[in-house]
Amino acid sequence: DAGVIQSPRHEVTEMGQEVTLRCKPISGHNSLFWYRQTMMRGLELLIYFNNNVPIDDSGMPEDRFSAKMPNASFSTLKIQPSEPRDSAVYFCASSAGTRFEYFGPGTRLTVL
Amino acid sequence: GQQLNQSPQSMFIQEGEDVSMNCTSSSIFNTWLWYKQDPGEGPVLLIALYKAGELTSNGRLTAQFGITRKDSFLNISASIPSDVGIYFCAGQPGVGGTASKLTFGTGTRLQVTL
Repeated sequence: DAGVIQSPRHEVTEMGQEVTLRCKPISGHNSLFWYRQTMMRGLELLIYFNNNVPIDDSGMPEDRFSAKMPNASFSTLKIQPSEPRDSAVYFCASSAGTRFEYFGPGTRLTVL
Repeated sequence: GQQLNQSPQSMFIQEGEDVSMNCTSSSIFNTWLWYKQDPGEGPVLLIALYKAGELTSNGRLTAQFGITRKDSFLNISASIPSDVGIYFCAGQPGVGGTASKLTFGTGTRLQVTL
């Protein structure tokens, strides 16, 4: 079975540009999570969805970040405009209403 | 946001040695999870614990859910080079079938020398 799929795996962009990260959760999973990982702050939960509805977005750093889940098989995390301090690895994870979260391989974002 | 404290932060061990690491929290959790992250990959679930005092094994890995519900421990026996990576604990306050937020530990970086 395919795991959580994220694209792109690597993204290099210039400050001020819009960045869109994509995630396809595991089929049948009804919860989806976006995390950010940095050396300084570790793994931080940004937002999570349950049945396509955003449940908690308190971890979203500021208005430049937005996330959508238009259907059960797709989610996006958008940063507009991007800043160098947004450079990090962004993970998407999904779960099936159990207590496990299965992580994708991550998108390494570098904002110059 | 809140993070769980893991110790040690990093450790160098020789192949064949046993490894112990722990995770502590100021809050009670009803589920404890242990993940391993390889370089360039996402965390992978190793062990899940659901009951205070529970001891669960997965091959050479053994994890325990602390009695106070504020801590958990992971042991790796007879380490091998592929055990290299970062180990994260995670706590979840929820019980039952709905998702709730995981709080992750700060990580323990393990390096194994031959």
